[in-house]
Amino acid sequence: QSALTQPASVSGSPGQSITISCTGTSSDVGNYNHISWYQQLPGQAPKLMIYEINKRPSGVANRFSGSKSGNTASLTVSGLQAEDEADYFCCSYAGDSLLLFGGGTKLTVL
Amino acid sequence: QGQLVESGGGVVRPGGSLRLSCAASGFSFNNYGMHWVRQVPGKGLEWVAFIRYDGTNTYHADSVKGRFTISRDNSKDTLYLQMNSLRAEDTAVYYCGRCLGVPGAIIPYSYYYMDVWGKGTTVTVSS
Repeated sequence: QSALTQPASVSGSPGQSITISCTGTSSDVGNYNHISWYQQLPGQAPKLMIYEINKRPSGVANRFSGSKSGNTASLTVSGLQAEDEADYFCCSYAGDSLLLFGGGTKLTVL
Repeated sequence: QGQLVESGGGVVRPGGSLRLSCAASGFSFNNYGMHWVRQVPGKGLEWVAFIRYDGTNTYHADSVKGRFTISRDNSKDTLYLQMNSLRAEDTAVYYCGRCLGVPGAIIPYSYYYMDVWGKGTTVTVSS
């Protein structure tokens, strides 16, 4: 199966909101609620930001939220801060033990 | 919270082998399922393999099936990835990840999410 599709880059000014999309198919994103988002700062390991579409692990700011509609999942970051600048990856279960990741989106805070 | 530290990466010729290790600390390793995920520098993430908390079930991505084997030694709090018949396209940073804990569940973690990651170890396959 192919990787999930994310925009290569998004940008926003401090205080603004941005949304990153993650498009899959009816075999992955559209068929399961096991959607997650990871943040990766330069040179660092990924960090879990959202799981099960819209749940936040403890310690993750409530400025981060997730949603899903059909075959597309979305991550919204509200009240952008400089520290949010990072790469973001979506992930979906695709059946038969397979976890599919997106290609990643670079978020730039202007 | 827990910590994971990978090791064992390096430069290897096509067709060669490597064994990666992932040392766990700060949590009950034998209670958690574990994954290996890799990332080509500057590219996306790719799931590689999973092993159940007790080692009884394993799953591998089609791209590595028959060449890579995930295993664990709970007495040593260590996860492994044996990589054989390496190819240039296996060149990547390899991360180990702990499954997200789900307190109170019969199996107390969720297969689908990773909440603790190591910093990664780099594997380069080149002649």
